[in-house]
Amino acid sequence: QKEVEQNSGPLSVPEGAIASLNCTYSDRGSQSFFWYRQYSGKSPELIMSIYSNGDKEDGRFTAQLNKASQYVSLLIRDSQPSDSATYLCAAQVEYGNKLVFGAGTILRVKS
Amino acid sequence: DTAVSQTPKYLVTQMGNDKSIKCEQNLGHDTMYWYKQDSKKFLKIMFSYNNKELIINETVPNRFSPKSPDKAHLNLHINSLELGDSAVYFCASSQPMTSGYQETQYFGPGTRLLVL
Repeated sequence: QKEVEQNSGPLSVPEGAIASLNCTYSDRGSQSFFWYRQYSGKSPELIMSIYSNGDKEDGRFTAQLNKASQYVSLLIRDSQPSDSATYLCAAQVEYGNKLVFGAGTILRVKS
Repeated sequence: DTAVSQTPKYLVTQMGNDKSIKCEQNLGHDTMYWYKQDSKKFLKIMFSYNNKELIINETVPNRFSPKSPDKAHLNLHINSLELGDSAVYFCASSQPMTSGYQETQYFGPGTRLLVL
């Protein structure tokens, strides 16, 4: 059973701080990884995709991938109350056009 | 300009009924998916179609039957609804994998199904 693990949280950070969200995956053959944000009652929306080891930055967001450790993270700099949501980590299963999602981490940014 | 749309948004029905959910995407993608998100927010794939051909069929009861009339549409029919079917059902679409890499999936707004 291919799995993606996330700490369910909630992770509480003060406004302006860095939020660090972590994810591990079990399928060593996974090559594609995604972070989605989901507000309550809404659909998941893509924040970042990452395919190579290292860091990928987009505005206040940085995704980090370490395939040797099977670890993906998302850093949110200068956290805003509007960042409060559930963050879903997803990994491609080695064979097939399929993503496996983690259970999500609830982030709360306090003003 | 809705990229992935679903109807209906809300569906309240009695146990034993049959219902359908429709999905349409205008992104020109070849691949479409159905996901189920339960009360614990766990998002799990049910089916995937690539250009009208079924490519992923997870362990889902036979009461669930997807149909893809063309690559822009993927519908989900559910027979004999049960209490445990209550969940949010999301449609998504993407381009097919390229060189072994999964393309980004774009989600519809979801259909909230409540079985009484």
